[in-house]
Amino acid sequence: DAKTTQPTSMDCAEGRAANLPCNHSTISGNEYVYWYRQIHSQGPQYIIHGLKNNETNEMASLIITEDRKSSTLILPHATLRDTAVYYCIVRVVGRDDKIIFGKGTRLHILP
Amino acid sequence: EAQVTQNPRYLITVTGKKLTVTCSQNMNHEYMSWYRQDPGLGLRQIYYSMNVEVTDKGDVPEGYKVSRKEKRNFPLILESPSPNQTSLYFCASSSSGRKPGELFFGEGSRLTVL
Repeated sequence: DAKTTQPTSMDCAEGRAANLPCNHSTISGNEYVYWYRQIHSQGPQYIIHGLKNNETNEMASLIITEDRKSSTLILPHATLRDTAVYYCIVRVVGRDDKIIFGKGTRLHILP
Repeated sequence: EAQVTQNPRYLITVTGKKLTVTCSQNMNHEYMSWYRQDPGLGLRQIYYSMNVEVTDKGDVPEGYKVSRKEKRNFPLILESPSPNQTSLYFCASSSSGRKPGELFFGEGSRLTVL
């Protein structure tokens, strides 16, 4: 079973901020939160990751709650090209590196 | 250019005919993994490898074999393919260690078993 829970789908108007939630209530101290997205049937693309602090890069921002049990990916000004399936995963550090993706959130950007 | 290369990208085969999907990365990554993707089921991990000669089962390893004799290559072997292995396959790699790196994915291999 996936270690994260995400809504199946979301809509967002073009130009607005898209906020994608992820629940990872069983996350352990050595696990990072990663976000990927997959456009059509292409290989998933890395977006951002973090451990406990909020992170920002040229693509998005990642907000992790203080208890680390949930996070939110923010696409600040969504465009039609951001329509994709977004995956939130947690990755274990160390020998057991089984990475479970789950089904992700299908984000529709509406014109 | 940093990349993960899979071959073939598309393949139609018949039940029972052994096939190998190759995966190669040029980033000197320790970690490599295979996933399959089916409609409504998301990405499911088949096998992964933490380093040369070290492989472990993922969530759906039945019917597949892998090997990791060199750091850059991680082939996926279907000894006797069956129609339920018709799927889109992705190979991925990343650095391991105390601060895990991002996963780099190949472009995918679409396999059809008749």
